[in-house]
Amino acid sequence: DVKVTQSSRYLVKRTGEKVFLECVQDMDHENMFWYRQDPGLGLRLIYFSYDVKMKEKGDIPEGYSVSREKKERFSLILESASTNQTSMYLCASSYDYGYTFGSGTRLTVV
Amino acid sequence: GQQLNQSPQSMFIQEGEDVSMNCTSSSIFNTWLWYKQDPGEGPVLLIALYKAGELTSNGRLTAQFGITRKDSFLNISASIPSDVGIYFCAGQLNSNYQLIWGAGTKLIIKP
Repeated sequence: DVKVTQSSRYLVKRTGEKVFLECVQDMDHENMFWYRQDPGLGLRLIYFSYDVKMKEKGDIPEGYSVSREKKERFSLILESASTNQTSMYLCASSYDYGYTFGSGTRLTVV
Repeated sequence: GQQLNQSPQSMFIQEGEDVSMNCTSSSIFNTWLWYKQDPGEGPVLLIALYKAGELTSNGRLTAQFGITRKDSFLNISASIPSDVGIYFCAGQLNSNYQLIWGAGTKLIIKP
């Protein structure tokens, strides 16, 4: 089975900090995605990548950037964390439409 | 961004009851998928539908791809406690691998 590993389950960061969320998949998938999940809003796409060093903005990219230097790793960066970025962050990878998600990182910005 | 209309938003049911939820869209989709998210975990794919009218089962779960390609439903028969969680529908609109997501249906089983 494909495994998608997110480096932290819980993070608490201070306003203004630069935050790195790491995601690694072990099945050579081309496609990787970062979502944030908030109650009542479902999953909202932040960024996605179809290949190494390739990135595309999703629906809510403001305040975020990404890095994909290797095929298996897709990092989400919060350049200057703010309290409105407190959320659950989910990483996914896919070969086609069947996404495999990580367990999520619950980020709290104080 | 575009979102699917998923209903109901939440359901309170007794153990053993059947459950039904659906998603609708104003756009035509090529693929419909249903995911389940357990508390504290990421969503897991339950069923994928690729053709209009397709009816697919996975154990007690049955899903259908609407004939108009603008809707899909998921039924769960004889619910059990481990069915609690959030169920998401997702649709593929374009020829890439991005999905459009519903807001989720939260299933709660009354003790």
